[in-house]
Amino acid sequence: QVQLQQSGPGLVKASQTLSLTCAISGETVSSNSATWNWVRQSPSRGLEWLGRTYYRSKWYNDYEVSVKSRITINADTSKNQFSLQLNSVTPEDTAVYYCARGGGSGWPFDPWGQGTLVTVSS
Amino acid sequence: SYVLAQPPSVSVAPGKTARITCGGNNIGSKNVHWYQQKPGQAPVLVIYYDNDRPSGVPERFSGSNSGITATLTISRVEAGDEADYYCQVWDSSSDPVFGGGTKLTVL
Repeated sequence: QVQLQQSGPGLVKASQTLSLTCAISGETVSSNSATWNWVRQSPSRGLEWLGRTYYRSKWYNDYEVSVKSRITINADTSKNQFSLQLNSVTPEDTAVYYCARGGGSGWPFDPWGQGTLVTVSS
Repeated sequence: SYVLAQPPSVSVAPGKTARITCGGNNIGSKNVHWYQQKPGQAPVLVIYYDNDRPSGVPERFSGSNSGITATLTISRVEAGDEADYYCQVWDSSSDPVFGGGTKLTVL
């Protein structure tokens, strides 16, 4: 049974970098069938997929177009975890951030991490 | 980008049937997934690929998808089913899209 445990600061200053980590148990981050995703949720934007990383003989990343210039998602195989970095944040990036396991395109997200409320202060 | 439309709220009496819709252009040609989210918790998958249930999800939860509407049906509604429900598909550019969510109130 896959479980995801998130960690990272809940407060970030505007213009700085938001960094979160998602530790995986029950599966390896380099699984050939899984993708590792970040999704955020805010009252104004609802649930918004941010991007994913996955391994298919090599590492791939896909990012949502609206954040593509500011986002990096990386995997750390030595710690079996993956991370989110979002640069140049503004108060509009204030949201609850979730990590989630997916499969290929078309697959659902299951399970999800517990969520981290990140507040961007101006 | 692809848009999914859900009613903001649905109310139902205990023991009755709740139907939550998710509208989208030709959504019947896509695979629809449904998530339940209770206050302060992460979303939980309750229906995937239109009408499959993950292990542990009661048989009272079912789904259908045809034409321009997908529907999550909850039979014999219980107080514990009160939550927000979200539909999700993958659009043509291979990005996931979520509906705006429906708050289910058990009267």
